[in-house]
Amino acid sequence: RKEVEQDPGPFNVPEGATVAFNCTYSNSASQSFFWYRQDCRKEPKLLMSVYSSGNEDGRFTAQLNRASQYISLLIRDSKLSDSATYLCVVRRDFGNEKLTFGTGTRLTIIP
Amino acid sequence: DARVTQTPRHKVTEMGQEVTMRCQPILGHNTVFWYRQTMMQGLELLAYFRNRAPLDDSGMPKDRFSAEMPDATLATLKIQPSEPRDSAVYFCASGFRDRAGYTFGSGTRLTVV
Repeated sequence: RKEVEQDPGPFNVPEGATVAFNCTYSNSASQSFFWYRQDCRKEPKLLMSVYSSGNEDGRFTAQLNRASQYISLLIRDSKLSDSATYLCVVRRDFGNEKLTFGTGTRLTIIP
Repeated sequence: DARVTQTPRHKVTEMGQEVTMRCQPILGHNTVFWYRQTMMQGLELLAYFRNRAPLDDSGMPKDRFSAEMPDATLATLKIQPSEPRDSAVYFCASGFRDRAGYTFGSGTRLTVV
């Protein structure tokens, strides 16, 4: 079983819609959580960190459920520019900074 | 904006040849990672350094891969001899310990024929 699992998609969503991605992680020692975004043939870029209480950045909302080992990302009022692959990422901390990536969920926003 | 610089951007080589990839981390960052990305496996950690010391290279095939940081401005990843299964995009990333997120370079797209 992979340490970080995501639905690979693809998600094809009309512009303006709300879309949600889910991610589960298997290692309960994981301490830090992130969503990265990767455009086609580009490098991953940090979208947002995920905090225990949940956090919002504009149209993006991230949630963490430690008990269920589950992370989510919600995108409201989706834009064409949101089309990308979204990567769920966990880190154990406590001296080990290794980022473990999910395989990503591909999102296409349709005009 | 500060960037992580990787060279070369693309490399095509024949099986058995040596390949060296270079990374210039952002000035002042004390943590450097090498990741490999393939369609099948996604992003996999190969090695990481903190303050130039190697901390984890468990993801790296030791018989043919080696990673070094000869100084704080340069990280290298070497494959010798290269094999077709090494074809992938190799990313370098840098950051500060205990800070959220790391900055990735544009990657080296390696094709071994």
